[in-house]
Amino acid sequence: AQTVTQSQPEMSVQEAETVTLSCTYDTSESDYYLFWYKQPPSRQMILVIRQEAYKQQNATENRFSVNFQKAAKSFSLKISDSQLGDAAMYFCAYRRAFGNQFYFGTGTSLTVIP
Amino acid sequence: EAQVTQNPRYLITVTGKKLTVTCSQNMNHEYMSWYRQDPGLGLRQIYYSMNVEVTDKGDVPEGYKVSRKEKRNFPLILESPSPNQTSLYFCASSLLGRINSPLHFGNGTRLTVT
Repeated sequence: AQTVTQSQPEMSVQEAETVTLSCTYDTSESDYYLFWYKQPPSRQMILVIRQEAYKQQNATENRFSVNFQKAAKSFSLKISDSQLGDAAMYFCAYRRAFGNQFYFGTGTSLTVIP
Repeated sequence: EAQVTQNPRYLITVTGKKLTVTCSQNMNHEYMSWYRQDPGLGLRQIYYSMNVEVTDKGDVPEGYKVSRKEKRNFPLILESPSPNQTSLYFCASSLLGRINSPLHFGNGTRLTVT
C-alpha cells in the first residue's frame, strides 16, 4: 500500500509570513494525483489544492502553491501571506490512478501567530 | 447544493449497543468511503465502495460493517461498539475513474463509546 508521510506534526507561522508544510509519499506507480486538505476547528475537510503527477508545472491557488518533486516523491504546500484563518490541520493525500484509493498522511497542525 | 450528508454529528453510546451512522451524497458519485480520524494517526480508511453492492475493506475494518444498496447511501454499522472505536468518523465520496476528482467529505461524526 502507498504510504504518505507528513513529518511535521506541528508548525507555526507569523501572520503575513510564508510557511511550507512537507509531505512525502512512497509509490511505484507513475500515474497518480496528490491533494492537500485543510481541516479547521470546525472539523470540516476542505480541499486546498491538487496536483497531477504527469504535470511538471506546480499547482497554484491564490496564496497556496505546491512544490512537486516527482523523482523525490515530495509534495510540499506553501502558504504565502499567512492569515489567521489559515490555522488548521493540513492533510496531504495521494490518489491512485488504478483502484482509485486515497491515502492520507497523519497531518500537520498549523498555528498562525498574530 | 452538492454535498455529503452524515448523521448524527455527535453520538454517545455504551459498549455493545448497535449503532448506525448514515451517509448520503447527492453528486451521483460511484466511490464512497468511511474514515476514522485519531490524533497522531491521521485518516485511516475503514471501508470503501466503488458501486452499488460492491464494498471492500480498508486498513482498519475490524468491528465495522457497511452496505451499499443504493448509489447515494453508504451507512456505517457498528454491531457491538467498544471503547477503542471512540473516534471522529468521516464519510466521503468521489467520482470513479477520474483521479483528479477529490474526495468530498461529510461534516464528521464524533462517536464516544463508554
